[in-house]
Amino acid sequence: DIQVTQSPSSLSASVGDRVTITCRTSQPIDNSLNWYQQKPGQAPRLLIYEVSTLEIGVSSRFSGGGSGTQFTLTITSLQPEDVATYYCQRSDSFGQGTRLE
Amino acid sequence: DVQLVESGGDLVQPGGSLRLSCAASGFSLSGYWIHWVRQIPGKGFVWVSRIKSDGRSTSFADSVRGRFTISRDDAENTLYLQMNSLRVEDTAVYYCARDKGHGTPFDLWGQGTLVTVSS
Repeated sequence: DIQVTQSPSSLSASVGDRVTITCRTSQPIDNSLNWYQQKPGQAPRLLIYEVSTLEIGVSSRFSGGGSGTQFTLTITSLQPEDVATYYCQRSDSFGQGTRLE
Repeated sequence: DVQLVESGGDLVQPGGSLRLSCAASGFSLSGYWIHWVRQIPGKGFVWVSRIKSDGRSTSFADSVRGRFTISRDDAENTLYLQMNSLRVEDTAVYYCARDKGHGTPFDLWGQGTLVTVSS
């Protein structure tokens, strides 16, 4: 099975900042890498699928990229509503999460 | 509205059983793969089980295989997770989620239901 490792585990930033979260897979994969946002007390929400495709309704401040074994989620012009935990996922494996404060 | 609604979570003693339900509205479960994913509060997600759109093909995580079963009632448009021989480590919020299979994303999640296994 392909394992997914996410970093950092937590991140502190300020309004207006640009932040990047990294997800690494244990072996090269195709484009089936997805990103989710989870706010406290809520279910996860799909943000980006197939590495870089933005889900409908998601702000263009979110973007995804990468290939092979390394993938990134970037949030630009950070807003207060972006405070959440972010997870990458590939098939049945999830990253450990990055808590953005 | 297109949504998934879980129910059935409860406090149960170790060794006990519980059945979780995942009711779909606004779409047919039979058109999707449906998964159960669990999350220990404050921790990450762990995939538990899935049933493919054919309603027959099922898979389970090693940690629950032989103890959990997954089934679907197309007439009720509801998914079930029968959990037997429950262990303390099964304590988590259980979410159902849908995808189209073959690596597609989980594009719809329920709100989750809490299962607590404790004496």
